[in-house]
Amino acid sequence: NAGVMQNPRHLVRRRGQEARLRCSPMKGHSHVYWYRQLPEEGLKFMVYLQKENIIDESGMPKERFSAEFPKEGPSILRIQQVVRGDSAAYFCASSPGRGAGTDTQYFGPGTRLTVL
Amino acid sequence: ELKVEQNPLFLSMQEGKNYTIYCNYSTTSDRLYWYRQDPGKSLESLFVLLSNGAVKQEGRLMASLDTKARLSTLHITAAVHDLSATYFCAVDYNTDKLIFGTGTRLQVFP
Repeated sequence: NAGVMQNPRHLVRRRGQEARLRCSPMKGHSHVYWYRQLPEEGLKFMVYLQKENIIDESGMPKERFSAEFPKEGPSILRIQQVVRGDSAAYFCASSPGRGAGTDTQYFGPGTRLTVL
Repeated sequence: ELKVEQNPLFLSMQEGKNYTIYCNYSTTSDRLYWYRQDPGKSLESLFVLLSNGAVKQEGRLMASLDTKARLSTLHITAAVHDLSATYFCAVDYNTDKLIFGTGTRLQVFP
């Protein structure tokens, strides 16, 4: 059973470009979460999605950031017009959701975004 | 405001010694998690604590939860170098998002 998959693992962008980060949840998991980790800090929640629905986006910056989890394919975190402050590690986690017998979120390897 | 605080932030300890990492949180919660992160790596789930008085042990690590005090501890017994990593606690406030602590960077030396 493959774990949570993220790609790319490393992404370099120049200021003003777009960054697209992809996340495939564990098999059987329908809930996806995105977190951001700045250097030397803990993880900060960004957004929680289920298939075709955004459940909670309270941690998403109001501008330039968007997320989706389509019916088919991976979840995408999109950052438009990146700035240096967007440089961070972005982690995706998945879970089966409440009532499925387990509540643990399993994390992917992360995408390390560097904005030049 | 939902807050999760860990202490110490940094911990340098000798092999064979015992120590405890503390995790305090601000509001009643029904779930607390401990994760381990190695440098440049992802988070590995260590423990899930679901009720007051819960205690779980895996190898040299033992985690406990006191919901009345809003406190969880991660106890390290007879530390070895392989335990060197950053340890995070995270709280689920029944909102399906995890609020993470600041992390405790543990370094075990001979």
